[in-house]
Amino acid sequence: KAGVTQTPRYLIKTRGQQVTLSCSPISGHRSVSWYQQTPGQGLQFLFEYFSETQRNKGNFPGRFSGRQFSNSRSEMNVSTLELGDSALYLCASSLPSPTGELFFGEGSRLTVL
Amino acid sequence: QQQVKQSPQSLIVQKGGISIINCAYENTAFDYFPWYQQFPGKGPALLIAIRPDVSEKKEGRFTISFNKSAKQFSLHIMDSQPGDSATYFCAASDSGTYKYIFGTGTRLKVLA
Repeated sequence: KAGVTQTPRYLIKTRGQQVTLSCSPISGHRSVSWYQQTPGQGLQFLFEYFSETQRNKGNFPGRFSGRQFSNSRSEMNVSTLELGDSALYLCASSLPSPTGELFFGEGSRLTVL
Repeated sequence: QQQVKQSPQSLIVQKGGISIINCAYENTAFDYFPWYQQFPGKGPALLIAIRPDVSEKKEGRFTISFNKSAKQFSLHIMDSQPGDSATYFCAASDSGTYKYIFGTGTRLKVLA
């Protein structure tokens, strides 16, 4: 069974640009979550989607947005990039259980110059 | 109240020794406490998890100890091996929220 696939794996942007990251969950997993990982901060919850609906959102500015498609694939978008947005963005999929195991992808590493 | 505090930030243990990582939380609504292991260049992977109705859970060399009254839980790695060298994250979830609050991570290095 294929794991969670995230694209692109690495990208470099400049301040003010926007970026879109993509996540393909494990087949059969309908819940997709996004986390931002930075050194010293651990993993910070961005949002969670199930059946194209956002069920929860973390404490990030409105520049961070996401969506989920009918095939459970998800995208997240960051607009007007800031230097502090440089991070590893992790996507995780899980079965539709409130405490279902999170299966993480290898992440998309974003560098903002 | 949503934080999970994890310590130590880094840990060096001799092969065969015991590694202990501690976490503390404030939100009494949390009802699921997993530990994730992350190797460089990889995403975190579930290692072991516990619910607050038990005080201890053991899987092989890995044990979670849970103290509900103190709102603390810890990961014990017995007979630590160089292959255990990784970053470990504790987490907590309120099952009604569909989100996990992660600790800041512990970088473990096991010396051969």
